[in-house]
Amino acid sequence: DVVMTQTPLSLPISLGDQASFSCRSSQSLLHSNGNTYLAWYLQKSGLSPQILIYRISNRFSGVPDRFSGSGSGTDFTLKISRVEPEDLGVYYCLQHTHLPYTFGAGTKLELK
Amino acid sequence: EVQLVETGGSLVQPGKSLKLTCATSGFTFSNAWMHWVRQSPEKQLEWVAQIKAKSNNYATYYAESVKGRFTISRDDSKSSVYLQMNSLKEEDTAIYYCTLQLAHWGQGVMVTVSS
Repeated sequence: DVVMTQTPLSLPISLGDQASFSCRSSQSLLHSNGNTYLAWYLQKSGLSPQILIYRISNRFSGVPDRFSGSGSGTDFTLKISRVEPEDLGVYYCLQHTHLPYTFGAGTKLELK
Repeated sequence: EVQLVETGGSLVQPGKSLKLTCATSGFTFSNAWMHWVRQSPEKQLEWVAQIKAKSNNYATYYAESVKGRFTISRDDSKSSVYLQMNSLKEEDTAIYYCTLQLAHWGQGVMVTVSS
């Protein structure tokens, strides 16, 4: 199975700061069809995960442009340009290139 | 608006069975690839199963941890997807989410396996 490693485990931040999340996979996520199926989710307390980014860098409908994704192969990053209160929660990455699909353990974004 | 509503969660004894239902609306269900994902009490997310559309022969895929015990199915006439869970184990205790193509998620349903 592909292992997804997220760092850091916790990210204390001040509102208005930039936040950066790392996700690394144990093997390349490049599919034979040329796409890379790496997605990012935010789970707020008590709610279901909500998708932010799909295929590395595509913002899902309604996601603010302060969120951006980048990377390739095995190394991926999610950035928030200026953290707002509604951005707090746990961020997960997911690979759905290789079966079984696998999630990272999450990074908790919290106030410093 | 896409809506996914899971039902059927319960407290069940080890070795018993349970069937989850996900009723959907707001999109063309017959073309959609549907998944079940679960979240353990420790908050780890685990992909459980996928079912593709009729055009893909309703192909199904499973996590190794549930293969042979769980069955994903769908009824396009009811826009619903199901998860039949047999031989339940304590480690199957989780919130189970139905998702449309891993993009839209339901609110989840709790399954507790305990004696």
